[in-house]
Amino acid sequence: AQSVAQPEDQVNVAEGNPLTVKCTYSVSGNPYLFWYVQYPNRGLQFLLKYITGDNLVKGSYGFEAEFNKSQTSFHLKKPSALVSDSALYFCAVRDPWNSGNTPLVFGKGTRLSVIA
Amino acid sequence: DGGITQSPKYLFRKEGQNVTLSCEQNLNHDAMYWYRQDPGQGLRLIYYSQIVNDFQKGDIAEGYSVSREKKESFPLTVTSAQKNPTAFYLCASSIVSGLAGGETQYFGPGTRLLVL
Repeated sequence: AQSVAQPEDQVNVAEGNPLTVKCTYSVSGNPYLFWYVQYPNRGLQFLLKYITGDNLVKGSYGFEAEFNKSQTSFHLKKPSALVSDSALYFCAVRDPWNSGNTPLVFGKGTRLSVIA
Repeated sequence: DGGITQSPKYLFRKEGQNVTLSCEQNLNHDAMYWYRQDPGQGLRLIYYSQIVNDFQKGDIAEGYSVSREKKESFPLTVTSAQKNPTAFYLCASSIVSGLAGGETQYFGPGTRLLVL
């Protein structure tokens, strides 16, 4: 069964410093991986995804993520954090061996706090 | 949040009452999903539908029911059998394409259900 883990419930970073939000996955083949962000009392907003090709994926708002097959990881990164980046971040996976348009499986989320 | 609307934003349920949460999308997406979000537990799948007049149970379907009579609508009913319905409910949709699993899910703004 496919699964994704976000090992940190909370990440704190100073404004202007680089940030990393960690994600590891477990699937039977090569995964499809996604990152979403959620602001308070709002729905999830799509940031970026890895399907195939270049392991470094660039997304919205200056975020990027690196797919690492050997470490089964897909960490979200940003070179310089902003206070407005403070939110709840979700990693999600879909096993490509599943047929059709099956739902994403989400991690439990990591709360990012950027301190001015 | 794009072309997915959820209503109402807040919903109050009395003991023994069934309530229905609305989800409408104008994105011409084939697949629609319902997730439940509880603090610290991430998103858990309730039901999903890949095509009109067909739907599948997710991980926590007990106490919930759905219908998919129109492509653009996927209402969720929280029945009296659901003993702990207080949560944030998120609807999502996606296309079905040749990517075979790489499709992005887009989310609505959510409905917060509270029990009186």
